[in-house]
Amino acid sequence: QKEVEQNSGPLSVPEGAIASLNCTYSDRGSQSFFWYRQYSGKSPELIMFIYSNGDKEDGRFTAQLNKASQYVSLLIRDSQPSDSATYLCAVGFFGNEKLTFGTGTRLTIIP
Amino acid sequence: GAVVSQHPSRVICKSGTSVKIECRSLDFQATTMFWYRQFPKQSLMLMATSNEGSKATYEQGVEKDKFLINHASLTLSTLTVTSAHPEDSSFYICSAPTSTGAGEQFFGPGTRLTVL
Repeated sequence: QKEVEQNSGPLSVPEGAIASLNCTYSDRGSQSFFWYRQYSGKSPELIMFIYSNGDKEDGRFTAQLNKASQYVSLLIRDSQPSDSATYLCAVGFFGNEKLTFGTGTRLTIIP
Repeated sequence: GAVVSQHPSRVICKSGTSVKIECRSLDFQATTMFWYRQFPKQSLMLMATSNEGSKATYEQGVEKDKFLINHASLTLSTLTVTSAHPEDSSFYICSAPTSTGAGEQFFGPGTRLTVL
């Protein structure tokens, strides 16, 4: 059974601080890793993807991947109230379009 | 990013009726699309994989005769909830992967189904 684990939260972070969201996965052969943001009542939107070990930065967002530890994280710098949402981690394999989603972490940015 | 549309965005129907939801990839072709269901404050649940030109693949526990999927073209998949009942009320979301093969999926805006 392929599993993706996330702390459901809620995670509360003061505005302007760094929010750190974590995800672990069970299948060591996983190759592609995605972070989606889902606002209440809306569908998920893709924020970032990462395939290689290390960090990948895009604006205020940084994805970190450690395949040895089977761990992927998302850092949000200078957190804004508009970042308040549920963040979904998803894991997949190249050539297989199906993704396994975690249950999501609810993030609240406190003004 | 790639654009996926869904129609309708919201539907209210009486128990026993059938409801069809359309999912379209607007600027790319999708041989595969995915259908998810999400109950309030719960995670996404994959219902089935829609395959253009062949039968859909359903996840365990999803009734294929109740949730009919037709992938009519490279840009259109439909989900029909047959004989809907109040327990089918949920948020139905489709997604389509891009052609990169790396698994990026783009989601439609979702359809809120309420069965009275």
